Amino acid sequence: GQQLNQSPQSMFIQEGEDVSMNCTSSSIFNTWLWYKQDPGEGPVLLIALYKAGELTSNGRLTAQFGITRKDSFLNISASIPSDVGIYFCAGQLRSSNTGKLIFGQGTTLQVKP
Amino acid sequence: GAVVSQHPSRVICKSGTSVKIECRSLDFQATTMFWYRQFPKQSLMLMATSNEGSKATYEQGVEKDKFLINHASLTLSTLTVTSAHPEDSSFYICSASKGRYEQYFGPGTRLTVT
Repeated sequence: GQQLNQSPQSMFIQEGEDVSMNCTSSSIFNTWLWYKQDPGEGPVLLIALYKAGELTSNGRLTAQFGITRKDSFLNISASIPSDVGIYFCAGQLRSSNTGKLIFGQGTTLQVKP
Repeated sequence: GAVVSQHPSRVICKSGTSVKIECRSLDFQATTMFWYRQFPKQSLMLMATSNEGSKATYEQGVEKDKFLINHASLTLSTLTVTSAHPEDSSFYICSASKGRYEQYFGPGTRLTVT
């Protein structure tokens, strides 16, 4: 099936540092979404991207929809302990009309106070 | 807003029994609802897509007779795990879509089959 390659798989950083993670695919997407999941909870939508090249911010989070429509990145600036969690990218294929999302494998973020 | 609830949050059942999980969109009407399963330290695995008033579309490898999905209204979908076995123990998460591309997730249901 279709896959999204999300990297890095995990990160352990110091509070205050900036974080960057990305997702790539060989397929073209018409939507990119970034979610955060805390242990035992459902994912929470952080940022939604709809157009190639689009750059969107949500507080300390910034995400971009790649020009080729095959990739996206998420940056977190000045990390804080509550940023800890698993971050997932998700995309909808341009060829899809079902609303189904394809998910990356997740990036586990740990922040050391 | 876009709030999705799930009930129950945790359930323990005996092998061979059936369990029903409810998913509700609380402040919007959901054109489509999705059911996922998640194993520890893994990503979300889509089980099925359901639209109100029509049969659910199951992903390859998901048994439709074991995982019964009913989407009775624009705000409610249910997943029934029939004749549950220990291997069905997992974290089940639903999501709902307003019609664009975003999916809003419920808090999940932890199912343990003993």
